[in-house]
Amino acid sequence: DAMVIQNPRYQVTQFGKPVTLSCSQTLNHNVMYWYQQKSSQAPKLLFHYYDKDFNNEADTPDNFQSRRPNTSFCFLDIRSPGLGDAAMYLCATSLSPPDEQYFGPGTRLTVT
Amino acid sequence: EDKVVQSPLSLVVHEGDTVTLNCSYEVTNFRSLLWYKQEKKAPTFLFMLTSSGIEKKSGRLSSILDKKELFSILNITATQTGDSAIYLCAAQGAASISGYALNFGKGTSLLVTP
Repeated sequence: DAMVIQNPRYQVTQFGKPVTLSCSQTLNHNVMYWYQQKSSQAPKLLFHYYDKDFNNEADTPDNFQSRRPNTSFCFLDIRSPGLGDAAMYLCATSLSPPDEQYFGPGTRLTVT
Repeated sequence: EDKVVQSPLSLVVHEGDTVTLNCSYEVTNFRSLLWYKQEKKAPTFLFMLTSSGIEKKSGRLSSILDKKELFSILNITATQTGDSAIYLCAAQGAASISGYALNFGKGTSLLVTP
């Protein structure tokens, strides 16, 4: 089945220790998105790739970076996680907008 | 600033009841409105609406968009306990900084009791 896969599903990291979350898709979608969802809040877009073009939201902290080495994979790097970065990180994909976005299962990040 | 407002924020109903969830939006260069269901995991896609007045239906769920009044509703008939979830509304605009962002509302938390 075509799908969006995120690894790991749960990640614990220490304050200030870099962490990488990964997302892969078998849907062959052009666009891949990373959202941050904190408890009881709506998902908030951090950035997205349209093919190889990177688009950063204006209020995404510099601490967050992303890489998309090929169509199928996209990574979220948090360079120095703070306690406030603990959240569910959702990866989504879509064909060229305004198509619907399909979400992966998410990675729940805990920062100790 | 783009804005999506959902109401009510939470709702408790009995099995068999019909519920209507509301979503109003103000989005620059509106392209589409999407509804998602979120249980204790990632959102799952329900509907995408781009045209006014055309109802989309999937089983007991239906949704409609009013582009003049800038709102959408999601109806669930004959609710079941499995419908308990957070329902997210998101509006997609074409002129945000990223160009393709989904602006999510805060969600409506629905609890269906037996």
